[in-house]
Amino acid sequence: DVKVTQSSRYLVKRTGEKVFLECVQDMDHENMFWYRQDPGLGLRLIYFSYDVKMKEKGDIPEGYSVSREKKERFSLILESASTNQTSMYLCASSLLGGGHSPLHFGNGTRLTVT
Amino acid sequence: QQPVQSPQAVILREGEDAVINCSSSKALYSVHWYRQKHGEAPIFLMILLKGGEQKGHDKISASFNEKKQQSSLYLTASQLSYSGTYFCGTGPLSGAQKLVFGQGTRLTINP
Repeated sequence: DVKVTQSSRYLVKRTGEKVFLECVQDMDHENMFWYRQDPGLGLRLIYFSYDVKMKEKGDIPEGYSVSREKKERFSLILESASTNQTSMYLCASSLLGGGHSPLHFGNGTRLTVT
Repeated sequence: QQPVQSPQAVILREGEDAVINCSSSKALYSVHWYRQKHGEAPIFLMILLKGGEQKGHDKISASFNEKKQQSSLYLTASQLSYSGTYFCGTGPLSGAQKLVFGQGTRLTINP
C-alpha cells in the first residue's frame, strides 16, 4: 500500500512566519502534489512536481513555493504566513501524471495562522 | 477552471440510491472519483478515461460522457459506510499533468 506521510497533523503559526509543510511518499512515485482544502471550495491545486527539482504552478500558487530535492519528499513553503492561508493542506502522489493513475493522499495538515 | 458538482449535498435513508454529477467546461481525458470521510484523507474510488466508458464495483459505478464533458457517480442501495464527501477530479485532454477537483458533494446516509 502506498503511504503518503505529512509531518504535522496540526500546526499553529504567527503572521509573517516562514512555514514548512513536509510530505514523504514511499512508493517511488514520479508525481507529487500540494492541494489546499477549504469548505465549499473543494481541493485546489497549489503546486505539483513531476520529477526531482521540477515544479509547476497549480491554480493558486501565490504566497507559496515548493521544493523537491529528493524523489520521495515534496515540501510546501509559506514564505510569510498570512491569516488567509489558514486551511487544510493535503499532499498527494501518483505513479503517472495527466490523470492517468490514482492520487494517494496524506492525512492532511491543518494550519492555523494567527 | 474547477468542474462543477451537483448536488452540493444530499441526505438519504439506508438502501436508497444516489447520483452525483460532475460537469466540466473543458474537453476531458479522464475523470477521477474520490470519497473523503470527516478528518480523513480522500480515498480513490475509480478512474474513467476518454472513450465513454462506464465502470463499477460493488454498488458504486460511474459513467463518463466525453461529448457532454460530464461524469456521473451512481450509488445504489446505499449503506451507512457510503457517507462522506465525494469529489470528482478532471484531467484535461492535453497539456498540464494536473488534476482539477470539483467543490465536493456531501452525502449523508441515515439508518
